[in-house]
Amino acid sequence: DIQMTQSPSSLSASVGDRVTITCRASQSISSYLNWYQQKPGKAPKLLIYAASSLQSGVPSRFSGSGSGTDFTLTISSLQPEDFATYYCQQSYSRITFGQGTRLEIK
Amino acid sequence: EVQLVESGGGLVQPGRSLRLSCAASGFTFDDYAMHWVRQAPGKGLEWVSGISWNSGSIGYADSVKGRFTISRDNAKNSLYLQMNSLRAEDTALYYCAKDMGGGQLLFTFDIWGQGTMVTVSS
Repeated sequence: DIQMTQSPSSLSASVGDRVTITCRASQSISSYLNWYQQKPGKAPKLLIYAASSLQSGVPSRFSGSGSGTDFTLTISSLQPEDFATYYCQQSYSRITFGQGTRLEIK
Repeated sequence: EVQLVESGGGLVQPGRSLRLSCAASGFTFDDYAMHWVRQAPGKGLEWVSGISWNSGSIGYADSVKGRFTISRDNAKNSLYLQMNSLRAEDTALYYCAKDMGGGQLLFTFDIWGQGTMVTVSS
C-alpha cells in the first residue's frame, strides 16, 4: 500500500500566520491527492481535491500544490475557525490517508 | 440540503454481526458512488469500502475483505454495510461519504454524514 506521511504531526500557530502542511507519498501518485479538515466531534470536510483544486465554498486562503510524491497545503492567513486536524488522502491506488496534522492555537 | 444520515451502530460482541445504513437526501443518489470510511477513537481515517452508482464496481480495504459487504438500494436512496465476524479492532465511528466523481469510484469524498459508532467488546 502507498504510505502517506504528513509533517508536522502537530503545529502551533497564531491567527494571521501563514501555515504550510506537507504530505509525502511513498511512491508517485500523480495529482491524486486530497486534503480534508476535521474539527473535534465533526465529520471531515473536503478542502482541496486533485492536489490543487479548491472545493466549492472553501475560503481562498486555502491552497494546495504538488505532484508525484510531495504535496503541500497552505493556509495564507490563519483564522480562528481554521484550528483543526488536517488529513491528506491519496486516491491513486488502494486509498490511504495521512496520519493527520493537528493545528493548534499558539 | 444535501444530507447523509447513518444509523445501525451499537455495542456488539466479537464474532457477531451488525448492519449499518446511510440515508441520503438532497441529491440524486443514483448518480454517485458512495463509500464507508471509519475512524477509531482518537485515531485517523481509514477507508473501508466503496460502491459505484449501479453496484457494478465494489472495493474493500484488506482489513475488512471477506467480512464486510457493501450494498445500495437506489430506490430507497440508501447505502448499507453488512459487517460480519466483528473484531475489537473494528471499533470505530463509521462515516458514510459521497464520492464527488459521479457514478464511478473517484475516491474523493465531498459529503460526509455525522457517523454511527460501532463498539466491538465482550
